[in-house]
Amino acid sequence: DAGVIQSPRHEVTEMGQEVTLRCKPISGHNSLFWYRQTMMRGLELLIYFNNNVPIDDSGMPEDRFSAKMPNASFSTLKIQPSEPRDSAVYFCASSPTGAPGGTQYFGPGTRLLVL
Amino acid sequence: DAKTTQPPSMDCAEGRAANLPCNHSTISGNEYVYWYRQIHSQGPQYIIHGLKNNETNEMASLIITEDRKSSTLILPHATLRDTAVYYCIVRVARRDNYGQNFVFGPGTRLSVLP
Repeated sequence: DAGVIQSPRHEVTEMGQEVTLRCKPISGHNSLFWYRQTMMRGLELLIYFNNNVPIDDSGMPEDRFSAKMPNASFSTLKIQPSEPRDSAVYFCASSPTGAPGGTQYFGPGTRLLVL
Repeated sequence: DAKTTQPPSMDCAEGRAANLPCNHSTISGNEYVYWYRQIHSQGPQYIIHGLKNNETNEMASLIITEDRKSSTLILPHATLRDTAVYYCIVRVARRDNYGQNFVFGPGTRLSVLP
């Protein structure tokens, strides 16, 4: 299994531009999570989906952020418009339903720099 | 979810056992203890989890005190590649995956020294 796949691995953009981050979870996993990591705030959960349905988006910082999961094998996190304070590493993770403890498997992350 | 307290950093000599402590004095009876680690510039990696019994897998051992208010992650023979930030998390485990959000604290930065 290839694990959780994220793209792009690095993104540099200018303030005001739209940014779309992509995630392909591990096949068969029913839950998908988006996290953001910065030096100041550490690793924060933004949103998570269960069976393609958003369950908890309380971590989404503001309306500029949106996430979708149109099917079981694909999710996007969109920032529009982007701001310099959005610069961070964004991780996607997936978890199989019924796994004891709900172990999560993380992707390699997308490093976003907004100038 | 119960809060955890970990030392900010630890050193360990290569080849020796690394013992990483975690305090979780407010843990509830249905909350599990999880350990993840994050090697520089990579995504967090699951290590082990347990409820009240000690657990062991190919990566590490987890020792949970009888009162469940603290635990220790043991890497029996630390290598340089074990240098990472180690996160101790306690949370309820539900098989339906609702409430699955993990809250990552600052963790312990383990440095394995040659």
